[in-house]
Amino acid sequence: RKEVEQDPGPFNVPEGATVAFNCTYSNSASQSFFWYRQDCRKEPKLLMSVYSSGNEDGRFTAQLNRASQYISLLIRDSKLSDSATYLCGRGCGGGGNKLTFGTGTQLKVEL
Amino acid sequence: DADVTQTPRNRITKTGKRIMLECSQTKGHDRMYWYRQDPGLGLRLIYYSFDVKDINKGEISDGYSVSRQAQAKFSLSLESAIPNQTALYFCATSAGIAGGGTDTQYFGPGTRLTVL
Repeated sequence: RKEVEQDPGPFNVPEGATVAFNCTYSNSASQSFFWYRQDCRKEPKLLMSVYSSGNEDGRFTAQLNRASQYISLLIRDSKLSDSATYLCGRGCGGGGNKLTFGTGTQLKVEL
Repeated sequence: DADVTQTPRNRITKTGKRIMLECSQTKGHDRMYWYRQDPGLGLRLIYYSFDVKDINKGEISDGYSVSRQAQAKFSLSLESAIPNQTALYFCATSAGIAGGGTDTQYFGPGTRLTVL
C-alpha cells in the first residue's frame, strides 16, 4: 500500500457544486497533513495545513479522521477557478519535516 | 519577488551531459528539498538538507547529487543525464519545527528538464 493515496480523478463538477476528495495514509504516526493546489505545469501552492481534527478557510474545509487514516478536502460553491490538481501531503512531524505526497486528484469545474 | 527561485526554468540536454539545477530562497529557511514530478507518480523526494552541513538522500537519489552552498542555496546535479530523468523538478523550503516554524513546504516554480 502506498504511504499516501489519492483518487486521480478527474472529478468533473458543475459550477456551484460541492465536491469532496479523500486522501488515505498508511503511517499512523503521521502528525501533520497538507493540501496543496497545483495548476498545470506550475508549482504546488499551499491550500491549507491540518494538525488536529480539521481546518476551514472560506469555501474549503479539511477534516482528519485518524481512526480511519484519511483526510478529506471539501470544496463548497465550486468556481471555475478551482479547476486544478489537489495534492495531499503528510508529515511525520517531530522535527522530521519530510513530507510524502499523493499523486493528486484532478478537479474540473464546468459551466 | 519570488521567495524561492529556480534556474533554469527549462532545459533540453543530451544523454551523458552533466546538468546543474539551482535553487535560491529568500525566506530564511534552514531546510531545503529537491523533488521530481512525473505524470502518475506525483512528487518524489530526491535529496533534502536540514542545514548547510546536513545532506540526506530521499527515495530516488540514484543518479543525482546535491550541494548546499549556503543557507539560501541548494543545487541539484545530474552527473550523466539519461532520458528517464526527463521530468519537472521542484525545489522546496521549510522553516523546520525545531526552529519554531512548521513543516509546511514552499515550492519554487520548477525546472522542466528534457533529456534526449
